[in-house]
Amino acid sequence: QKEVEQNSGPLSVPEGAIASLNCTYSDRGSQSFFWYRQYSGKSPELIMSIYSNGDKEDGRFTAQLNKASQYVSLLIRDSQPSDSATYLCAVNIEGSYIPTFGRGTSLIVHP
Amino acid sequence: GAVVSQHPSRVICKSGTSVKIECRSLDFQATTMFWYRQFPKQSLMLMATSNEGSKATYEQGVEKDKFLINHASLTLSTLTVTSAHPEDSSFYICSARPPLAGGYNEQFFGPGTRLTVL
Repeated sequence: QKEVEQNSGPLSVPEGAIASLNCTYSDRGSQSFFWYRQYSGKSPELIMSIYSNGDKEDGRFTAQLNKASQYVSLLIRDSQPSDSATYLCAVNIEGSYIPTFGRGTSLIVHP
Repeated sequence: GAVVSQHPSRVICKSGTSVKIECRSLDFQATTMFWYRQFPKQSLMLMATSNEGSKATYEQGVEKDKFLINHASLTLSTLTVTSAHPEDSSFYICSARPPLAGGYNEQFFGPGTRLTVL
């Protein structure tokens, strides 16, 4: 059973702080990793993808991948109230184009 | 780029009627499209995977005769909820996957269709 685990939260951080979202996965053959943001009542929006170990930065977002420990994380610097949403982690195992989604972590950034 | 549209965005229907939802990739050809359902405050649930020109692959527990999927072209997939009942009320979201570029598997979501069955 392929599993992607996320803490459901809510994770509450003050405006301007760094929000750290974590995701673990069970399948060692996983190759592609994605973070989606989903606002309440809206569909998910792809914000980051990462495929190799290490960090990948895009603006205020940094994705970190550690395949040996089987986790992927998302850091949001200078958090804003507009970042308040549910963040979904998605993982593709090698050779499969069907992603497995985590249940998502609810992030609340309070002023 | 990578824009996916869905129509309608919201539909209210009477129990027993059928509802068709369209999903289009606007600026790329989608070899694969996915259909998801999401109940309030719950996670995404993959219903089926459709590949252009072939039958959809349904996830376990999803009734293929109730949720008809047609992927007629590389830019259009449709989901028809047949004989809808109140328990089918949900947020239906499609996503599309561009042809692989460097082995990547990114997929892009449509805005979703909120179905309410009275």
